[in-house]
Amino acid sequence: DGGITQSPKYLFRKEGQNVTLSCEQNLNHDAMYWYRQDPGQGLRLIYYSQIVNDFQKGDIAEGYSVSREKKESFPLTVTSAQKNPTAFYLCASSILGAINTGELFFGEGSRLTVL
Amino acid sequence: QQQVKQSPQSLIVQKGGISIINCAYENTAFDYFPWYQQFPGKGPALLIAIRPDVSEKKEGRFTISFNKSAKQFSLHIMDSQPGDSATYFCAASIESQGNLIFGKGTKLSVKP
Repeated sequence: DGGITQSPKYLFRKEGQNVTLSCEQNLNHDAMYWYRQDPGQGLRLIYYSQIVNDFQKGDIAEGYSVSREKKESFPLTVTSAQKNPTAFYLCASSILGAINTGELFFGEGSRLTVL
Repeated sequence: QQQVKQSPQSLIVQKGGISIINCAYENTAFDYFPWYQQFPGKGPALLIAIRPDVSEKKEGRFTISFNKSAKQFSLHIMDSQPGDSATYFCAASIESQGNLIFGKGTKLSVKP
């Protein structure tokens, strides 16, 4: 089945450690996104990429890094510089050209807890 | 100006009733307004969307009403069912920018 796979679903991390969240899609979508979801805060954009080897910062990029070496993959690294990393992280993709049409396809999310 | 304000934060409706969620925006450059539905532990999924050239769009029991002059849009769920219990997000986008602005969400509970 086509879709977006995020892993791991749950992750625990000690303070000061970097952690990488995986996002893979087999929808042949050009654009990929990372959102952070906190209770009562909606979804906030961290980074997005419209093409391989290129990406842009979203509203809350500080303390995060991404790479886009393959069309199918868009991993997110939560660095130790992120002051409040405990959250639910969502990866999404869309067809290029539909980037601003709202037609995002989301994965099932990764819940990161910092101990 | 980039905000999308959504209300209420939570909503309890009896089975068979009408659920109404409202959103307001300031930026008149927004040209696409989708609604997403999210079940616990899952990612959001597109439910229904509207462009400002129409005032209403209906898909089954779900209807978006759009008021361009008031810069408001709303989601109506007719004959609400317990299976509709979820968090609903409104959103807005500008064609020239690569960002979808989400409201903060409404947690809907439909009681049997």
